[in-house]
Amino acid sequence: DTGVSQNPRHKITKRGQNVTFRCDPISEHNRLYWYRQTLGQGPEFLTYFQNEAQLEKSRLLSDRFSAERPKGSFSTLEIQRTEQGDSAMYLCASSQYGSGNEQFFGPGTRLTVL
Amino acid sequence: EDQVTQSPEALRLQEGESSSLNCSYTVSGLRGLFWYRQDPGKGPEFLFTLYSAGEEKEKERLKATLTKKESFLHITAPKPEDSATYLCAVDGSSNTGKLIFGQGTTLQVKP
Repeated sequence: DTGVSQNPRHKITKRGQNVTFRCDPISEHNRLYWYRQTLGQGPEFLTYFQNEAQLEKSRLLSDRFSAERPKGSFSTLEIQRTEQGDSAMYLCASSQYGSGNEQFFGPGTRLTVL
Repeated sequence: EDQVTQSPEALRLQEGESSSLNCSYTVSGLRGLFWYRQDPGKGPEFLFTLYSAGEEKEKERLKATLTKKESFLHITAPKPEDSATYLCAVDGSSNTGKLIFGQGTTLQVKP
């Protein structure tokens, strides 16, 4: 299967701890997006990479959030000093520039901050 | 600022009872309008992309249409397996392709 994969699928952590999530996009896709989704809402944009370059970050993304995409392949999203308000589903999506921007999503990582 | 509003928030249908979901949008320049299906606890599954007013796309019991202000997802003779949340999103003013989503319509189809 060559779809988008995310790990871990679930993460439970205590307030103040750091967490890191991984996303492996579809191999030929050069665009990668992170979104956050809370219950009853649609996904909300967090950040975007084209190849290895991070080209946009949401104004909603605090300094506690950082993302990387080394070598333009997989991506990681780290949250430092987690807060209860960070509890959400974190979704990764990838697309191929010039193909119409159809974004294909992974299964998500469900974060619960106690 | 790009905005997307979906209605209704929830919809209950009997199996075979056709209906439509609405997505109203405000963008300064539409690059694409997307429909996704999302099952509980899973990531959104891509359904359709529409690019210009008057465009229509179909897949099984689903048909998506687009005007300059809104899009409709028509569901013909739905089955219980069509139960899910349907999300609408726009690729609008940004050059990055980020999607702006509505809050979704949760569809329940009873047998």
